[in-house]
Amino acid sequence: AQSVTQLDSQVPVFEEAPVELRCNYSSSVSVYLFWYVQYPNQGLQLLLKYLSGSTLVKGINGFEAEFNKSQTSFHLRKPSVHISDTAEYFCAVSDRWGSQGNLIFGKGTKLSVKP
Amino acid sequence: EAGVTQFPSHSVIEKGQTVTLRCDPISGHDNLYWYRRVMGKEIKFLLHFVKESKQDESGMPNNRFLAERTGGTYSTLKVQPAELEDSGVYFCASSQDSGATDTQYFGPGTRLTVL
Repeated sequence: AQSVTQLDSQVPVFEEAPVELRCNYSSSVSVYLFWYVQYPNQGLQLLLKYLSGSTLVKGINGFEAEFNKSQTSFHLRKPSVHISDTAEYFCAVSDRWGSQGNLIFGKGTKLSVKP
Repeated sequence: EAGVTQFPSHSVIEKGQTVTLRCDPISGHDNLYWYRRVMGKEIKFLLHFVKESKQDESGMPNNRFLAERTGGTYSTLKVQPAELEDSGVYFCASSQDSGATDTQYFGPGTRLTVL
């Protein structure tokens, strides 16, 4: 069975500093990869997704992620964070050849941006 | 365009009682998903509707959970009778097309507490 590991449950960072949120997945089959963000009292919102092609994916709000097949990783990065980026971030995968669209999530990483 | 809405936002019930959660997907979205997040754990898939049909209900924990989507519009998820371990946040998501690449739009969730 597939699984997603988000190595850090909490990441505190100062405003304008760079951040990397780590995500590894375990799968022997091709997958699609997603990052979602949940702001307080809101639903999950898609930040970006990797389907195929270029391994560097750019998303909304200045975030980007790089797909690394050999390391089965899909780390999320932002060069300079803002207070408004404080939220919980979820990495997810879906199986290309399996059930239609069911997402498998990691446990989430809470990003806390301090002034 | 209205997003995915869920009702209620919070529900506190006693063990053995019945609770019904409702999800209104984005208009025109044939695909509707239910997920659940138990505290401290991953968001886990429960089931997937395509219009009014259950496409995949492999994630439903047991027969105390009943999901319906009459008419292919809104969906309800009933828990009867509720147990302590059913506590968590129940998310609903919808997408226009089925398939692993299509973006799922999430509602804000219903936080269920079973005492």
